Amino acid sequence: NAGVTQTPKFQVLKTGQSMTLQCAQDMNHNSMYWYRQDPGMGLRLIYYSASEGTTDKGEVPNGYNVSRLNKREFSLRLESAAPSQTSVYFCASSYREGQPYEQYFGPGTRLTVT
Amino acid sequence: AQKVTQAQTEISVVEKEDVTLDCVYETRDTTYYLFWYKQPPSGELVFLIRRNSFDEQNEISGRYSWNFQKSTSSFNFTITASQVVDSAVYFCALSETGSGWSYQLTFGKGTKLSVIP
Repeated sequence: NAGVTQTPKFQVLKTGQSMTLQCAQDMNHNSMYWYRQDPGMGLRLIYYSASEGTTDKGEVPNGYNVSRLNKREFSLRLESAAPSQTSVYFCASSYREGQPYEQYFGPGTRLTVT
Repeated sequence: AQKVTQAQTEISVVEKEDVTLDCVYETRDTTYYLFWYKQPPSGELVFLIRRNSFDEQNEISGRYSWNFQKSTSSFNFTITASQVVDSAVYFCALSETGSGWSYQLTFGKGTKLSVIP
């Protein structure tokens, strides 16, 4: 039981390059989330998927796209990376049944855009 | 408007001291959930507790305890007899109902706790 896994762990991009961050969970959770963490800012929600087949914007969606590939997998794409997207990205998942349950987080991806 | 405020940016204590981390939240909902997470230096986020707005009983788990007070919109976290392994950034988070559960968490900016041996 791996929980929430993310790939890659580290990535360096040049401005304008694109990449996809992968996330998978094996806890049979309905909901999945992408956050970014910047120094002194806490975690901010980029996009979330309340259930398979749906995605919604969070607090800071600009510059990102997501795909809920199936119940297990939720990917985050940067189409044209910018230095402002240098951050640590966390994927999370949670059970969803009538009330908000705790979210379980992956180990994070440290992304640097030069 | 900031919905979760953790006013203490950094705290340092000597090992075995007690320490309280403050969390003040803001919501218009009568039903909501509050959470605490721990982020040790290794970087992962670890869930500690979930509490709903109807349950104001204090919670104790080993050296950890939580004091939920709706009257002051606070959900404070106390570590008793702190240990070096408690050194981490601690986040408080809120989930509101609004017009329906969105299951989003709004995080505070975190409090970095350093426990000095």
